[in-house]
Amino acid sequence: DIQLTQSPSTLSASVGDRVTITCRASQSITNWLAWYQQKPGKAPKLLIYKASTLESGVPSRFSGSGSGTEFTLTISSLRPDDFATYYCQQYYSFPYTFGQGTELEIK
Amino acid sequence: EVQLVESGGGMVQPGRSLRLFCAASGFTFEDYAMYWVRQAPGKGLEWVSGINWNSDNIGYADSVKGRFTISRDNAKNSLYMQMNGLRPEDTGLYYCAKGSGYGSGSYPVYWGQGTLVTVSS
Repeated sequence: DIQLTQSPSTLSASVGDRVTITCRASQSITNWLAWYQQKPGKAPKLLIYKASTLESGVPSRFSGSGSGTEFTLTISSLRPDDFATYYCQQYYSFPYTFGQGTELEIK
Repeated sequence: EVQLVESGGGMVQPGRSLRLFCAASGFTFEDYAMYWVRQAPGKGLEWVSGINWNSDNIGYADSVKGRFTISRDNAKNSLYMQMNGLRPEDTGLYYCAKGSGYGSGSYPVYWGQGTLVTVSS
């Protein structure tokens, strides 16, 4: 199975900061990677697919990059609504897998 | 508008069975892969199972393989998960999710609100 490792597990930042979350795969997944945002008590929301394609309606301050085994999610200028938990997920092959999550908290 | 409504969760003793349901509407169900994803209390997301549009490509997480069976009825716009031999570590909120396409290369796009499964004696 393909393992995904996210770093950091927790990230403290302030409104206006630029932040980056990393997701590393245990083997190449080309660009079959998605990013999700989840807020407490809510279902996950798709942000990015195919490593770098922004889902419709997602603000442009979110961006994704990478291929192969290393990927990043960047938020260019944090807004209060962005404080949440973020997950990467590979859909290269069954069984699909998620990273363990990165909790983005207010500093 | 896409709607996914899960049901069938509840409290059950270890070793027993449950069957989860996901009623889909607002899209052409038979054209899309579907998934189950769970989340234990206070923990991260865990992909459980996926099924392509015509049920000929199915996958399971190692943690549930041999105990859980995913299926779908395209005529009824419904997704199912038969869960046998339940364990305490199966406790969590189970989400149904609609894929981006019909099969390989599809990823979860829309999610329901989940149904809670509690396995405890």
